[in-house]
Amino acid sequence: AQSVAQPEDQVNVAEGNPLTVKCTYSVSGNPYLFWYVQYPNRGLQFLLKYITGDNLVKGSYGFEAEFNKSQTSFHLKKPSALVSDSALYFCAVRDRGDAGNNRKLIWGLGTSLAVNP
Amino acid sequence: DTEVTQTPKHLVMGMTNKKSLKCEQHMGHRAMYWYKQKAKKPPELMFVYSYEKLSINESVPSRFSPECPNSSLLNLHLHALQPEDSALYLCASSQEEVGAGYGYTFGSGTRLTVV
Repeated sequence: AQSVAQPEDQVNVAEGNPLTVKCTYSVSGNPYLFWYVQYPNRGLQFLLKYITGDNLVKGSYGFEAEFNKSQTSFHLKKPSALVSDSALYFCAVRDRGDAGNNRKLIWGLGTSLAVNP
Repeated sequence: DTEVTQTPKHLVMGMTNKKSLKCEQHMGHRAMYWYKQKAKKPPELMFVYSYEKLSINESVPSRFSPECPNSSLLNLHLHALQPEDSALYLCASSQEEVGAGYGYTFGSGTRLTVV
């Protein structure tokens, strides 16, 4: 079965330090990969996606993610965390096929990031 | 305009009420989605409309009734809901449902409380 794992429920990091939020997936072929962020009492905001090409993808608010095909991972990173980055982060994947359930996004359970001043 | 607008932002309704949630986008996106989200959980897909036709219904109870009057609007009609239906309801749109990996643009959601 297709699945997305975010192994950490919570990540704590000091402001100014680098942050990593992990995501691994189990989807056949080469899926589309996404990161979304949700601030308290808000909807989801798109951060970045991997479709093809360079394995390092740059997105909004200084975030980037590295696609690693051999490890089936798509970890989210930021060189220097801000307190305002504190939010809930979701990894999502979608099969490249267009038939049936392949059209749906598969979501990870989310990782709560807390950046401490 | 790069937004998805949802109204109302908050809704409290009794179990015998009928209400509607509204979603609007003017980005020319041809796919629109309804999701349900419980606190600190990932969103759960409910319905997908592609080119104003219902594409996916995730076996949602009939007390939830979607409608897509035109390419910019998506409604969710609610009737005889249960307290466990209380959640954040999110609308999203994407350029297309299929094809290249289009990202979704989400609205801020409607916080629904069923009493």
